[in-house]
Amino acid sequence: DQQVKQNSPSLSVQEGRISILNCDYTNSMFDYFLWYKKYPAEGPTFLISISSIKDKNEDGRFTVFLNKSAKHLSLHIVPSQPGDSAVYFCAAKETSYDKVIFGPGTSLSVIP
Amino acid sequence: GAGVSQSPSNKVTEKGKDVELRCDPISGHTALYWYRQRLGQGLEFLIYFQGNSAPDKSGLPSDRFSAERTGESVSTLTIQRTQQEDSAVYLCASSLLLGTRSSYNSPLHFGNGTRLTVT
Repeated sequence: DQQVKQNSPSLSVQEGRISILNCDYTNSMFDYFLWYKKYPAEGPTFLISISSIKDKNEDGRFTVFLNKSAKHLSLHIVPSQPGDSAVYFCAAKETSYDKVIFGPGTSLSVIP
Repeated sequence: GAGVSQSPSNKVTEKGKDVELRCDPISGHTALYWYRQRLGQGLEFLIYFQGNSAPDKSGLPSDRFSAERTGESVSTLTIQRTQQEDSAVYLCASSLLLGTRSSYNSPLHFGNGTRLTVT
């Protein structure tokens, strides 16, 4: 049973445009969400997070939106750059429990 | 060191042999996690440590898999009698942990993984 879902295995975007990566979750106890970026042959690196008390968190070109009622979050990258090409993982956890569950990932390609 | 260190970076082993994978977390990080990524798949949770204890071993695929952590630092993941389906990248991560009742959440910091190939 996949508790964190990323239904788009891949996404292709033109340089300079907006990239929108989506994530859905099923466990209503999740209250902290993270996005990670992974390049080949490297470990995932932390990008941005959001707590369930917020509906938006912004850090430079990266913004995460959380819709708790829909159990949906999204990562917006604007403007997209070729160096953003990587696999993006959505992850979730309960604050009172330390297990972090990852989605299957979305491979983003930013075309110059 | 500055980041999470894993060794070896690559391991090729014959089916049936035992392997041991090592993780050195970031100094001061009390929580340590092991994940597995098979080819074309997402990150599969295996086990995590809070200090030296492992509150959640639910992700270990079989009793051939075990992990330990000593001194709230180094952790080893051991796979006995390896099978071809064990081939994957094994990722270790660490984070600060301020208690399971804390309202503070800390992101995981990952190592570059050990690529295990069982022939």
